[in-house]
Amino acid sequence: DADVTQTPRNRITKTGKRIMLECSQTKGHDRMYWYRQDPGLGLRLIYYSFDVKDINKGEISDGYSVSRQAQAKFSLSLESAIPNQTALYFCATSVPTGLGETQYFGPGTRLLVL
Amino acid sequence: GENVEQHPSTLSVQEGDSAVIKCTYSDSASNYFPWYKQELGKGPQLIIDIRSNVGEKKDQRIAVTLNKTAKHFSLHITETQPEDSAVYFCAASIVPHDMRFGAGTRLTVKP
Repeated sequence: DADVTQTPRNRITKTGKRIMLECSQTKGHDRMYWYRQDPGLGLRLIYYSFDVKDINKGEISDGYSVSRQAQAKFSLSLESAIPNQTALYFCATSVPTGLGETQYFGPGTRLLVL
Repeated sequence: GENVEQHPSTLSVQEGDSAVIKCTYSDSASNYFPWYKQELGKGPQLIIDIRSNVGEKKDQRIAVTLNKTAKHFSLHITETQPEDSAVYFCAASIVPHDMRFGAGTRLTVKP
């Protein structure tokens, strides 16, 4: 979905390096999420943000940090990358709609940590 | 927390046949059940969802059923086409920031 973009799409880095993955959206949604996907597993939530001043840890936040620079931008950082952070990372957005919220996903960033 | 199990992990059908993917969830408070389709190199895209106040929903060739008593829900695709080949994920949530995903089903539709 072009409304949610992620950069870079692919990244190779070395153990110990700091990297940042960026997410931008034009959907006007307040809520943004970062997920991680590993082969054979579903998506797992790393961090989420309900607005610029609200950031919360998800199920697997250790080793990650985030920054919500604006309503449209939500960045994920790996302060010191390690090989088991090799995965596919997705950003998503949503808007409150009462019972249940649809999440809209970006195209993903494939990260390889050597 | 919520735990979602999805079966089968792989499914191969002939074009024109039906495909069924099943998921079970553990928390009876879950109230929202989306299904996502993920094509190669792309992010998951919502194809259909159901909320706990209904038992069935249909959109053309796709349908989802929900059995709250048994805590399971299923995706049904009829008249499958090669372009239906993808990985499908189910999910369940009580609140949006606690959505739990199944492990995925790789569907292959053979021409």
